[in-house]
Amino acid sequence: GQNIDQPTEMTATEGAIVQINCTYQTSGFNGLFWYQQHAGEAPTFLSYNVLDGLEEKGRFSSFLSRSKGYSYLLLKELQMKDSASYLCAVSERGSTLGRLYFGRGTQLTVWP
Amino acid sequence: AAGVIQSPRHLIKEKRETATLKCYPIPRHDTVYWYQQGPGQDPQFLISFYEKMQSDKGSIPDRFSAQQFSDYHSELNMSSLELGDSALYFCASSLGESGNTIYFGEGSWLTVV
Repeated sequence: GQNIDQPTEMTATEGAIVQINCTYQTSGFNGLFWYQQHAGEAPTFLSYNVLDGLEEKGRFSSFLSRSKGYSYLLLKELQMKDSASYLCAVSERGSTLGRLYFGRGTQLTVWP
Repeated sequence: AAGVIQSPRHLIKEKRETATLKCYPIPRHDTVYWYQQGPGQDPQFLISFYEKMQSDKGSIPDRFSAQQFSDYHSELNMSSLELGDSALYFCASSLGESGNTIYFGEGSWLTVV
């Protein structure tokens, strides 16, 4: 089964850096995704990690440690528009890659 | 760039009615996934198709069915609607079952009254 855990809420100020953690337990790990979702809108793809280490993409970076069942999403130079829910999602071996198990999401609020 | 297109964007139905949602994947994407997201909930996987064949099945009620057509678009058919079916239904697509990017459409809001 899956047990994906991430903080419910976080707050930060414009220009700051924030790290959103995600821990997971799966019967067979196939990959980990991070999505950004504004209320009532589609989840927007941010990153995909399948190997250990850091993936950097502009202001966003994602880290994975498979042995620890741990990932984090790092957001730099925060902007007001980054206020959204950030979803950690895991794909399991044995099922299609796009069968994702989502965490409950971390609601990030960026203050001016 | 073209994205995943879903229609209709909003739908209101009465209990026991039938609804059909459509999904047009990103061009050249051959894999389609359907998710249901209730209010305040995380998206739940329903079903997926690869090359017009069902590839995986999640928590999709027996009242629901889906298929993928020759042009790779997909339709989700929901019958005997219940109040609890009110949710945001997302379609996502990828290139192949092992594509490392999965893109979501903007969703179809279904309200059952």
